[in-house]
Amino acid sequence: QSVLTQPPSVSEAPRQRVTISCSGSTSNIGNNGVNWYQQLPGKAPKLLVYYDNLVPSGLSDRFSGSKSGTSASLAISGLQSEDEADYYCAAWDDSLNGVVFGGGTKLTVL
Amino acid sequence: EVQLVESGGGLVQPGGSLRLSCAASGFTFRNYWMHWVRQAPGKGLVWVSRISSDETGTTYADSVKGRFTISRDNAKNTLYLQMNSLRAEDTAVYYCVRSYGAPEPDAFDIWGQGTMVTVSS
Repeated sequence: QSVLTQPPSVSEAPRQRVTISCSGSTSNIGNNGVNWYQQLPGKAPKLLVYYDNLVPSGLSDRFSGSKSGTSASLAISGLQSEDEADYYCAAWDDSLNGVVFGGGTKLTVL
Repeated sequence: EVQLVESGGGLVQPGGSLRLSCAASGFTFRNYWMHWVRQAPGKGLVWVSRISSDETGTTYADSVKGRFTISRDNAKNTLYLQMNSLRAEDTAVYYCVRSYGAPEPDAFDIWGQGTMVTVSS
């Protein structure tokens, strides 16, 4: 059971917008920045969003992050087939004194 | 090119030991905190351990505390993970990861390709 809660799967049609939620608590999301990672099949994860809503330089602006209280969201607009991947949220947890991940969300582009 | 390359994975019996290495290149290794993150087959990501840039501070997940030891050699640009008393549930791909950020440097911006550790008799 992961400390951060994500839906196991989401799906949407090409060119549409999808959001992936991540729920935590005051010891993690509520008090620390949230980072999002994309893991393509058979590949290492890649940083997509950091500090809740910042996108690393060079990455597509189709990805965006937001946070409110103890929940965070990743939005992907203009869906493309190459966006099919597993997406993970993560944050530092003050109580556990470590990084905690969500269980991951598998995105299917219909 | 910024790169992390892990090595040292393999098959080990329960109760055995293994040492993973991670060679860093393309950046000033001594300036960054480093981590190990693992992923069991078909499962999600799990943080394992971290070490400060100056080697003075280490932190571990409860699941590996007392069994795993993270270390680094900034002169050799190499990160290590000594794994003792291995269990079947330690079976996973182990990723070496670079991080940045404050107050906690937990944004994982560079990942290695991973090395597989299988614990089985």
